[in-house]
Amino acid sequence: AQKVTQAQTEISVVEKEDVTLDCVYETRDTTYYLFWYKQPPSGELVFLIRRNSFDEQNEISGRYSWNFQKSTSSFNFTITASQVVDSAVYFCALDQAGTALIFGKGTTLSVSS
Amino acid sequence: KAGVTQTPRYLIKTRGQQVTLSCSPISGHRSVSWYQQTPGQGLQFLFEYFSETQRNKGNFPGRFSGRQFSNSRSEMNVSTLELGDSALYLCASSSRREPYNEQFFGPGTRLTVL
Repeated sequence: AQKVTQAQTEISVVEKEDVTLDCVYETRDTTYYLFWYKQPPSGELVFLIRRNSFDEQNEISGRYSWNFQKSTSSFNFTITASQVVDSAVYFCALDQAGTALIFGKGTTLSVSS
Repeated sequence: KAGVTQTPRYLIKTRGQQVTLSCSPISGHRSVSWYQQTPGQGLQFLFEYFSETQRNKGNFPGRFSGRQFSNSRSEMNVSTLELGDSALYLCASSSRREPYNEQFFGPGTRLTVL
């Protein structure tokens, strides 16, 4: 069975703190895709990053970075020097065989000034 | 390039009624997927349409149905509404160009069932 677990329900930080959002996934397939989406209060899911199962290269994009480790089935997301505008719900998702996205329950990030 | 649009944005219905939600995908995208988001169950996949055919279906009762038109626009219908159908319904479009299945989401339709 495919499953995505985001153990952190809510995280509160003060502006400029670094924050890491955890994601653990389960799948039996060798080919799959992992995603992070951001959902601001407006409700629209905003795509952040995609990784396929063959690409374990970690990436940094501005204040965002991602750590993909197949050995531990984890795909963590870090925001460096958080800002109030980063406040949102963040979802990790798994796409296996191009069927449907399986989402974690989401982590609500609150950044205060 | 225009994004995914969903209409209406907000809807209030009463139990027993039926409702139709509409989604217009990004131009050129032939795949439309629907998701239901509730506080309790989170984001759950309803179904996907590709070239007017239902390609995948999630674990929802038959009261939930959909269709896709030749211009790729999709509608979702929920009959005999129940209180538990209150949710944010999100539509996502994809070009379905393998190997990626990057889905772009619309703003959602917030349905309240009274």
